[in-house]
Amino acid sequence: EPEVTQTPSHQVTQMGQEVILRCVPISNHLYFYWYRQILGQKVEFLVSFYNNEISEKSEIFDDQFSVERPDGSNFTLKIRSTKLEDSAMYFCASTTGLYGYTFGSGTRLTVV
Amino acid sequence: AQSVTQLDSHVSVSEGTPVLLRCNYSSSYSPSLFWYVQHPNKGLQLLLKYTSAATLVKGINGFEAEFKKSETSFHLTKPSAHMSDAAEYFCVVSDGISGGYNKLIFGAGTRLAVHP
Repeated sequence: EPEVTQTPSHQVTQMGQEVILRCVPISNHLYFYWYRQILGQKVEFLVSFYNNEISEKSEIFDDQFSVERPDGSNFTLKIRSTKLEDSAMYFCASTTGLYGYTFGSGTRLTVV
Repeated sequence: AQSVTQLDSHVSVSEGTPVLLRCNYSSSYSPSLFWYVQHPNKGLQLLLKYTSAATLVKGINGFEAEFKKSETSFHLTKPSAHMSDAAEYFCVVSDGISGGYNKLIFGAGTRLAVHP
């Protein structure tokens, strides 16, 4: 069964550093998403991406965040200057729009 | 705006007994509803999905959910719990009319414990 692949599974970074979280969505999917889950809290929507542009973003997704689909297969989330409160599990998801969403296994980001 | 409320933060059952995880939703549209499961240190796995077809939806691993519009509920059930069912379960609604690709809104989750 096709999978959404996320790398790395765990990343530790120092506050103020830039991080890039990587995702390879399912190849025939058209819509891509990033969600995050701070420990002990709800899973929250960050951003959706379609046709090479952001289609929707939440208030969490401020200027420190950006997304890119640089080569037609990878889908990345960049945090420019990480803060302690960015520590969370970040999930990538994709869908064709018809059959439901497939999530990756997540990247646990720890900012120290 | 769409929202979901999971009525129990923790549910504990004995192996072999029925499971009931409760979810109420609020939606301005005919909603698309999902249940996802998250095992420890794992990603989110889709258990089942309701999108205005049959009101009783069967999912993987013996789980099913019934959409009840009059009660705005979408409770998840399983006749007989296994130890491997111990996990966090999320009730999720899709935001927007079409539901096919709109963002997902998650409930707070219910942690299911299964005892021998």
